[in-house]
Amino acid sequence: DAMVIQNPRYQVTQFGKPVTLSCSQTLNHNVMYWYQQKSSQAPKLLFHYYDKDFNNEADTPDNFQSRRPNTSFCFLDIRSPGLGDAAMYLCATSRGGGFMNTEAFFGQGTRLTVV
Amino acid sequence: AQSVTQLDSQVPVFEEAPVELRCNYSSSVSVYLFWYVQYPNQGLQLLLKYLSGSTLVESINGFEAEFNKSQTSFHLRKPSVHISDTAEYFCAVQNTGTASKLTFGTGTRLQVTL
Repeated sequence: DAMVIQNPRYQVTQFGKPVTLSCSQTLNHNVMYWYQQKSSQAPKLLFHYYDKDFNNEADTPDNFQSRRPNTSFCFLDIRSPGLGDAAMYLCATSRGGGFMNTEAFFGQGTRLTVV
Repeated sequence: AQSVTQLDSQVPVFEEAPVELRCNYSSSVSVYLFWYVQYPNQGLQLLLKYLSGSTLVESINGFEAEFNKSQTSFHLRKPSVHISDTAEYFCAVQNTGTASKLTFGTGTRLQVTL
């Protein structure tokens, strides 16, 4: 039973053409994260939502935006993808709220190719 | 700020041999520690975690890790590996604040061969 679902698994987009990646969860978790993972590198946090509160990492480019219309869904928008944005994008959730609620559940990821 | 160091980018090992994947962390506050496994073109799966209590934690598939506060380490070990253990392994640290973020190491590629 998939708990964190990312669609699509593979996305090809053109240079400069806006693209949206989606993530949904059935866990009813408070926190949703977006990570970028380039080849042979560690996942890098872009931003996260705690409920409706958006938290952007200081070094996340303005080209990356996110929306969370409700508890279950979170979107990653790349306004003008460049070749350097080709990566695996990972969505994760956690319950939040302190001790013992820290485990992050990851989706399968979306591999983005920019042509 | 917190950071994680995984010194070994690749670890080749023969099947049924023991293995240790090293992880060291740096943080000015108390932390939780995690090991995640990633199979090709897949997301991350939690392998095991240390939150508090016993410093030795185990997974259901035979891996274990020991939290050593004095050495700021959380090395992952398995006494006998299987071909199916071939994957990328990421160590991660999270400070104990609410909704604090995971910081990952650069990963160790475990390659098990016959």
